[in-house]
Amino acid sequence: NAGVTQTPKFQVLKTGQSMTLQCAQDMNHEYMSWYRQDPGMGLRLIHYSVGAGITDQGEVPNGYNVSRSTTEDFPLRLLSAAPSQTSVYFCASSYSTGKNIQYFGAGTRLSVL
Amino acid sequence: GQQVMQIPQYQHVQEGEDFTTYCNSSTTLSNIQWYKQRPGGHPVFLIQLVKSGEVKKQKRLTFQFGEAKKNSSLHITATQTTDVGTYFCADGSSNTGKLIFGQGTTLQVKP
Repeated sequence: NAGVTQTPKFQVLKTGQSMTLQCAQDMNHEYMSWYRQDPGMGLRLIHYSVGAGITDQGEVPNGYNVSRSTTEDFPLRLLSAAPSQTSVYFCASSYSTGKNIQYFGAGTRLSVL
Repeated sequence: GQQVMQIPQYQHVQEGEDFTTYCNSSTTLSNIQWYKQRPGGHPVFLIQLVKSGEVKKQKRLTFQFGEAKKNSSLHITATQTTDVGTYFCADGSSNTGKLIFGQGTTLQVKP
């Protein structure tokens, strides 16, 4: 199993550009989440999904869209990138039963100029 | 909204010294999780505490859950350079897979 795979690993955008951060998991996990990590702020939840076709907002959803058409994939879209979205983005997944242990991808380091 | 406060933000210790990070919540938690993130890496699950007053050990790491289930701590005995990283606590109370993370404590160990 590859676990949670995020692409790309690094990305530089100009203000106003759009892009999609990809996340895929092969563990058949029902739950998937997107977090952003900024210095001194910990990990903040952007959006999450409890299953295919179901998504909901986290703590900091503005400027981001998500969709969950399959169990495996949970892409994060930036429609019009802003410098405030410069961050490290982590995707995570977990089972719906049991301990809710989250498995994280390696992250995407995004810079918006 | 629900917040989990974690202190200190940074800690520098000499190798062999002990280290403790504390996590506090304003509300009762059904469970708390701890994760470790190595520099440049991603968070990795360490442990989950569920019961009031629970204490769990992993080698030199001791995890505690408060009696009121509103606070938790991670204590590392005799730190080593391999302990370097950021330690996060997380409120795992949600039944929708959400975790609310503390701000993290970054540990530096001087050899």
